[in-house]
Amino acid sequence: DIQMTQSPSSLSASVGDRVTITCRASRPINNYLSWYQQKPGKAPRLLIYITSSLQSGVPSRFSGSGSETDFTLTISNLQPEDFATYYCQQSYSDQFTFGPGTRVDLK
Amino acid sequence: DVQLLESGGGLVQPGGSLRLSCAASGFSFGSYAMNWVRQSPGKGLEWVSTINDSGDTANYADSVKGRVTISRDNSNNTLHLQMNSLRAEDTAIYYCAKDHVYGEVFDVWGQGTLVTVSS
Repeated sequence: DIQMTQSPSSLSASVGDRVTITCRASRPINNYLSWYQQKPGKAPRLLIYITSSLQSGVPSRFSGSGSETDFTLTISNLQPEDFATYYCQQSYSDQFTFGPGTRVDLK
Repeated sequence: DVQLLESGGGLVQPGGSLRLSCAASGFSFGSYAMNWVRQSPGKGLEWVSTINDSGDTANYADSVKGRVTISRDNSNNTLHLQMNSLRAEDTAIYYCAKDHVYGEVFDVWGQGTLVTVSS
């Protein structure tokens, strides 16, 4: 199975900050990498797919990049509604796996 | 509106069985693969199973393989997950999720149904 790691596991930031979350796959995943946002008590929400494609309705302050094994989610100009947990997910292998999550909270 | 509504969760004893359902509306259900993803209390997300649009191909996580069966009824826009030989570690919120048109990405999620395995 492909293992996914994320760093940091949590971070504190302020409104207006630029936030970067890193996701690493245990082997190359050919850009089959997605990002989800989850708020407490809610279902996850798709933000980014195929590494950098923005899902319809997602604000343009969210962006994704990367290749091979290393990927990044960037939130520019952090907004109050962005405080949440973020998960990466690979769909390269037939055993889809998620990263452990990165919690973004208010400094 | 595109909607997914899960049902069937509850308390079950170890070794027991449960059948989850997911009612879909607002999109052409039979045109998309569907998925189950679970989340143990306070933990991260774990993909469980995927079924293709026609229902003739399914894929399972190693952690549930042999104990779980995914199925779908395209005439009634419903997805199912039959879970047998349940263990304490199966305790989780179970979400059904629709595949993105691109495929193998989960673009619409239900609100989840809680399964608790305990004696």
